[in-house]
Amino acid sequence: GQNIDQPTEMTATEGAIVQINCTYQTSGFNGLFWYQQHAGEAPTFLSYNVLDGLEEKGRFSSFLSRSKGYSYLLLKELQMKDSASYLCACLDSNYQLIWGAGTKLIIKP
Amino acid sequence: IAGITQAPTSQILAAGRRMTLRCTQDMRHNAMYWYRQDLGLGLRLIHYSNTAGTTGKGEVPDGYSVSRANTDDFPLTLASAVPSQTSVYFCATSGGSSYNEQFFGPGTRLTVL
Repeated sequence: GQNIDQPTEMTATEGAIVQINCTYQTSGFNGLFWYQQHAGEAPTFLSYNVLDGLEEKGRFSSFLSRSKGYSYLLLKELQMKDSASYLCACLDSNYQLIWGAGTKLIIKP
Repeated sequence: IAGITQAPTSQILAAGRRMTLRCTQDMRHNAMYWYRQDLGLGLRLIHYSNTAGTTGKGEVPDGYSVSRANTDDFPLTLASAVPSQTSVYFCATSGGSSYNEQFFGPGTRLTVL
């Protein structure tokens, strides 16, 4: 079966660094996405990885290891506005997105 | 219109009633999707359409139907609503980038009593 696992909830302090992990098992793999979703809003795209390695985009970075079925999203210099859910999703062999349940990130002052 | 619009924003519906959720895009994207999002379960694909005139079933299609008469519109119909269909429904599109990034509408919050 297809499965994506990520922690349900994480707490971090403003100004700190947090790493949100995602492990996946899918039928075929055509890339991994991270989306951000603020409460009551639609998901918005953060990053896409299809090759192994680290992709950096400002305060956010995303890492992928295809051999380990593993990705993480790294958020630096946390701000209160980063409080949101972070969704991991994999593009399977049919180019359909398989979604994790999301990680709710709580930022404390 | 800018991007993806969904209507209504929210709706309370009696069980057994028929309901159509509307989704319209002006991004000229070929692919469109309907998801439902429930607490603790993440986004689940209901139906999708890779191009106008074609549709396909996702992970949870039962009780829902779709049509894709043109590029811009992708309505989702609940023929006879049941309380388990209470959820937040998101329409999404893709096709503008090389890696199938999906763009989401603002969502419809549906409550079936």
